[in-house]
Amino acid sequence: DAKTTQPPSMDCAEGRAANLPCNHSTISGNEYVYWYRQIHSQGPQYIIHGLKNNETNEMASLIITEDRKSSTLILPHATLRDTAVYYCIVRVVTGTASKLTFGTGTRLQVTL
Amino acid sequence: NAGVTQTPKFRILKIGQSMTLQCAQDMNHNYMYWYRQDPGMGLKLIYYSVGAGITDKGEVPNGYNVSRSTTEDFPLRLELAAPSQTSVYFCASSYGVWANTIYFGEGSWLTVV
Repeated sequence: DAKTTQPPSMDCAEGRAANLPCNHSTISGNEYVYWYRQIHSQGPQYIIHGLKNNETNEMASLIITEDRKSSTLILPHATLRDTAVYYCIVRVVTGTASKLTFGTGTRLQVTL
Repeated sequence: NAGVTQTPKFRILKIGQSMTLQCAQDMNHNYMYWYRQDPGMGLKLIYYSVGAGITDKGEVPNGYNVSRSTTEDFPLRLELAAPSQTSVYFCASSYGVWANTIYFGEGSWLTVV
């Protein structure tokens, strides 16, 4: 299973872009990068995913380096409600099941 | 459409007691999962199921049992509760192997004293 490394915590001013990095140097060619977030001990919430191309949706953008060894989640205009723990996950597909392996994530604190 | 529903939300158990955490989903998902999350840690997979009648162990299955008699329900049973099982438990579901989104329930807080 490919492992991910994230900084334990980050701060961001409200209205500014939050850039959350993730290293996944052992990722294999058919593994996707997923991002989830967990707000105050609620169930994790899906944000975005990608394989090799950059992706954007209504919540965030995902930038994956050409060698796929790292990625960055971008929240373009962070708000206080974006304060959460953000998990970068490399998707493992084993047999007929798809499982997510969660690390400890990055705790993002958005401040006024 | 309620999504993934877990009960109970909070429970205190005495050492050696048993209980079942209930999980139900109304999205017709064939894949269901149980995770636990200890304070300050990430989620760890306990058991998962790829369909009715099929279950398999995850990363930390010891002390737990599951069953999947219907597509909708995936209960998690704790036998002989121990303090090490004090945790927050999350049930989740997804549709298909390459499902883009895994939906999580709101969690069940369990304390074993």
